[in-house]
Amino acid sequence: GAVVSQHPSRVICKSGTSVKIECRSLDFQATTMFWYRQFPKKSLMLMATSNEGSKATYEQGVEKDKFLINHASLTLSTLTVTSAHPEDSSFYICSARDSGGGNGYTFGSGTRLTVV
Amino acid sequence: RKEVEQDPGPFNVPEGATVAFNCTYSNSASQSFFWYRQDCRKEPKLLMSVYSSGNEDGRFTAQLNRASQYISLLIRDSKLSDSATYLCVVSKAAGNKLTFGGGTRVLVKP
Repeated sequence: GAVVSQHPSRVICKSGTSVKIECRSLDFQATTMFWYRQFPKKSLMLMATSNEGSKATYEQGVEKDKFLINHASLTLSTLTVTSAHPEDSSFYICSARDSGGGNGYTFGSGTRLTVV
Repeated sequence: RKEVEQDPGPFNVPEGATVAFNCTYSNSASQSFFWYRQDCRKEPKLLMSVYSSGNEDGRFTAQLNRASQYISLLIRDSKLSDSATYLCVVSKAAGNKLTFGGGTRVLVKP
């Protein structure tokens, strides 16, 4: 089945630094990928939709200058958390749907970000 | 009102018993419906899609009621390994963004 690889799985960084998270579709092409954030005991909240070769579409309330998304190829999307603060600590998950068909969406294994 | 609402639980279920729970959605234009399972500190994994006529996959049965705008999930003969958070997921169309419910936590106990 479709596999999405996300890394790093866990990262601890200092306040003010930037962190890049990668999401790769391993055996399919994904023109669209989605980035979610999940706080403890809460559901996944969509942050943005990443479109290959064009600008990402951000959900209301999500700062595009803080959460930079790049989708330069059909198999790779990156999310960069810039100038991270402790309140950015969360579980970030990407997902993609096989453009060639199939059902449902495949999720990456998530990145647990802790900003200290 | 949230777009997708679920009873957070937890539903404490004796092993071997049946448990069922619902999810309501507010957008009548929703077209695609899914149940995902999420284990603690892990990514969600697709459990099953939900079709208009209802569908079954082993011990799991999903139903869709468009008139009342809810979907349901029933788990028969519960196993300890069924303990997880079950996420109700809705989208307007295939390929569109997913909207997640808050999840229903199920705890199966011996």
